[in-house]
Amino acid sequence: NAGVTQTPKFQVLKTGQSMTLQCAQDMNHEYMSWYRQDPGMGLRLIHYSVGAGITDQGEVPNGYNVSRSTTEDFPLRLLSAAPSQTSVYFCASSYGPFSGNTIYFGEGSWLTVV
Amino acid sequence: KQEVTQIPAALSVPEGENLVLNCSFTDSAIYNLQWFRQDPGKGLTSLLLIQSSQREQTSGRLNASLDKSSGRSTLYIAASQPGDSATYLCAVRRGTGANSKLTFGKGITLSVRP
Repeated sequence: NAGVTQTPKFQVLKTGQSMTLQCAQDMNHEYMSWYRQDPGMGLRLIHYSVGAGITDQGEVPNGYNVSRSTTEDFPLRLLSAAPSQTSVYFCASSYGPFSGNTIYFGEGSWLTVV
Repeated sequence: KQEVTQIPAALSVPEGENLVLNCSFTDSAIYNLQWFRQDPGKGLTSLLLIQSSQREQTSGRLNASLDKSSGRSTLYIAASQPGDSATYLCAVRRGTGANSKLTFGKGITLSVRP
C-alpha cells in the first residue's frame, strides 16, 4: 500500500533550469494538490486538480505548471527555477476536497535552487 | 483572509504529562478543522478531522475539540510519550467546493523528554 509517492526526494538545481517533481497515488483519489512548505510561512497551495484533465491554481502558482493526464499522476513542473523556489514540496491526495475526507501527504521533495 | 495561529511554536514536556496544543483561527465560518502530525523529514499525517457541526473527536490518547464561535481548537494528548515528539499542525477549511481553501497553521514542535 504505497499511498502517495513523490520523487525525487532531494534535488539541487541551478537558476534557470527546469525540472519536474513527480507525484503518484494508488488510492484512486480524485483530488490531488501540491503544497510548498517554507520556514515561518506554513504550507501554501500551489496547484490542485479535481480529476483527470482538470487543474486549477492555488495560492502561489507563479513559476509552476501542472497537468493531470491520469487519475494516478500529478506532476509539478518548474519552468525556470529561481532561488525563491527553494523549498520543501508536498503532494497530497484525497477522495475529494469535501467534508470528511482525510488528506494523504507524500513524504516531500527537498528542492534547492542555487 | 483566514489566519491560523499556533502558539507556542515549540514545547518541551516530561514523559507522562497530559498536554494541550492550541490552535486559533480568525474567521469562524469554517467547514472543518484537521490536526496533522509531521515527523522530521516526513510528510503530514492526518490525526483528527472535526466537522464544523461537531464539538470534539477522539482517537486513542488524542482528543481534539472545536469551538467555532471563539475561533479555537485544542488537541489534548494524554500520558505523553517520547514517540509523540513531532510537529503538530492544524488546518481549517472554508467551504466545500472544488477550490475550498485549506489554511494551515505553522505548527507546534513538541518534544517529550524521557
